[in-house]
Amino acid sequence: DQQVKQNSPSLSVQEGRISILNCDYTNSMFDYFLWYKKYPAEGPTFLISISSIKDKNEDGRFTVFLNKSAKHLSLHIVPSQPGDSAVYFCAASANTNAGKSTFGDGTTLTVKP
Amino acid sequence: DAEITQSPRHKITETGRQVTLACHQTWNHNNMFWYRQDLGHGLRLIHYSYGVQDTNKGEVSDGYSVSRSNTEDLPLTLESAASSQTSVYFCASSDGETQYFGPGTRLLVL
Repeated sequence: DQQVKQNSPSLSVQEGRISILNCDYTNSMFDYFLWYKKYPAEGPTFLISISSIKDKNEDGRFTVFLNKSAKHLSLHIVPSQPGDSAVYFCAASANTNAGKSTFGDGTTLTVKP
Repeated sequence: DAEITQSPRHKITETGRQVTLACHQTWNHNNMFWYRQDLGHGLRLIHYSYGVQDTNKGEVSDGYSVSRSNTEDLPLTLESAASSQTSVYFCASSDGETQYFGPGTRLLVL
């Protein structure tokens, strides 16, 4: 049973437009959510996170929204840039897990010039 | 600058051989993790450690072992490599919720 799901394996958007990446989770114990970005032949790097006590967190062009009742979060990138083309992983953790996260399968974002 | 490194970056081995993948971090983090990533899948947790002498099994631990003799290193050993263990392996460390990943080791078991 996959606890963190990213139902869209890929997403293609035009440069300058908004990219919206979605993530659903099933475990109600999750209280911290993260997005990681991964380029080919590199390890994932942390992008942005959100605690369950918030419903929005913004960092520059990146905003994460959390809907706890729907067990859904999304990552918005505005405006999208070609350098944003990468695989994006959603991850979730429970407060007691000391950083142990459960990851989704990832969404490959392609931003076309 | 603090970092996390993995070696080797690429490894080819034969079925049945013992293989050890190294992970070294200079963040001085207590928490360290090993994941594998297969094509089209996310990161699946193999083993993790919350400190020296502490090791724990993740969701896909069969056929793997780890040991933690110091803060900086968490080597991952494949006791008897199998073709199903062909994958990309990532090591990570953390001192909180955010994990810092190494560059990965691409392992091919023939």
